[in-house]
Amino acid sequence: AQKVTQAQTEISVVEKEDVTLDCVYETRDTTYYLFWYKQPPSGELVFLIRRNSFDEQNEISGRYSWNFQKSTSSFNFTITASQVVDSAVYFCALIEYGGAQKLVFGQGTRLTINP
Amino acid sequence: GAVVSQHPSRVICKSGTSVKIECRSLDFQATTMFWYRQFPKQSLMLMATSNEGSKATYEQGVEKDKFLINHASLTLSTLTVTSAHPEDSSFYICSARDRGPNEQFFGPGTRLTVL
Repeated sequence: AQKVTQAQTEISVVEKEDVTLDCVYETRDTTYYLFWYKQPPSGELVFLIRRNSFDEQNEISGRYSWNFQKSTSSFNFTITASQVVDSAVYFCALIEYGGAQKLVFGQGTRLTINP
Repeated sequence: GAVVSQHPSRVICKSGTSVKIECRSLDFQATTMFWYRQFPKQSLMLMATSNEGSKATYEQGVEKDKFLINHASLTLSTLTVTSAHPEDSSFYICSARDRGPNEQFFGPGTRLTVL
């Protein structure tokens, strides 16, 4: 069965520091998709990125970057020059292309950026 | 595009009453909708999957008689919490999918408080 592990429950840094959120996944499927979502205090999930299992290229979007490594089953997320507005809970998630195609979430990492 | 709405955004009810939550895909047809529950400081847990015109598939441990799901059209799914009790207080989030497994869009969530 698929599983997503976010070992960091809470992270607190000072504004402008770089921070990396870890995500490790398990799946038996060869075709799958990985996601990162941001959940601010309002509760609404904000989609950040989707990556399919055949695309291991790292991606950068502004201050956000993602490192996908199939060899270690990891899909880590880095925020560069963090800002207070980045404070939120971040979820990594996985969906397998075969089978029930259910989206499975990690436990989430609560990120606090202090001014 | 790809907007999903939920109504109400917040509801407070007395123990023993039933509450209906609506999930609508506003600009696309959702062949499949999902209902998640999120307790404070926890991750999202899938409750059930519903396909238009058929019975919902519930996850293990979710009482189908308590959480009634109806997916009557390609743009509307409803979750009814019957005879709600304080332990049902939670944040309920729906999502909708129109095509492949990687295209899933989330509603803003409904916060249910049962007194």
